[in-house]
Amino acid sequence: QKEVEQNSGPLSVPEGAIASLNCTYSDRGSQSFFWYRQYSGKSPELIMFIYSNGDKEDGRFTAQLNKASQYVSLLIRDSQPSDSATYLCAVISGGYNKLIFGAGTRLAVHP
Amino acid sequence: DGGITQSPKYLFRKEGQNVTLSCEQNLNHDAMYWYRQDPGQGLRLIYYSQIVNDFQKGDIAEGYSVSREKKESFPLTVTSAQKNPTAFYLCASRDSGTGEEYEKLFFGSGTQLSVL
Repeated sequence: QKEVEQNSGPLSVPEGAIASLNCTYSDRGSQSFFWYRQYSGKSPELIMFIYSNGDKEDGRFTAQLNKASQYVSLLIRDSQPSDSATYLCAVISGGYNKLIFGAGTRLAVHP
Repeated sequence: DGGITQSPKYLFRKEGQNVTLSCEQNLNHDAMYWYRQDPGQGLRLIYYSQIVNDFQKGDIAEGYSVSREKKESFPLTVTSAQKNPTAFYLCASRDSGTGEEYEKLFFGSGTQLSVL
């Protein structure tokens, strides 16, 4: 079992719709969860982080965390073509301060 | 401006050759990391260093070596033992300390390594 799993996609949504990206993780001791956006050929950029169960909102982005289910998600409201990228879920693993990444979900927002 | 600088942006390696990827940061961060990314895949940890003169192997360290002689610098050498080195290499750094703000990872712009 991979430590951090994501559906590779592509996830295709129309402009203006809500994009929902999901991630599951295997280490029950994980405490910190991150979403990075990566455009092709570029380095990842942090867009959201969440530590507590529940929802965290930042502009058009909402991160949702359910530690009991070992599940974290990212919602993008009013999706724009500029949101088209690969979204990487990352988890701080155990006590080693290592950030473990999922393989990423490719999002395509079409006009 | 503070940040992480990786060089070169593109690098070509001949068979049997060692090559070194540079990573320099002026963020005064204690921890530095090297990740490898293959097409369509996530980032895999090669090596990381929490402090000067100390580093640990990540999940895919075989065929790679690092040094951490200065806080600002964490070069990665891809040795001839790494038989499949073609990938996008990312260097990252993080401030030390406890609390949410200290867990954010800052990335350089990456080096694309290819084999001739």
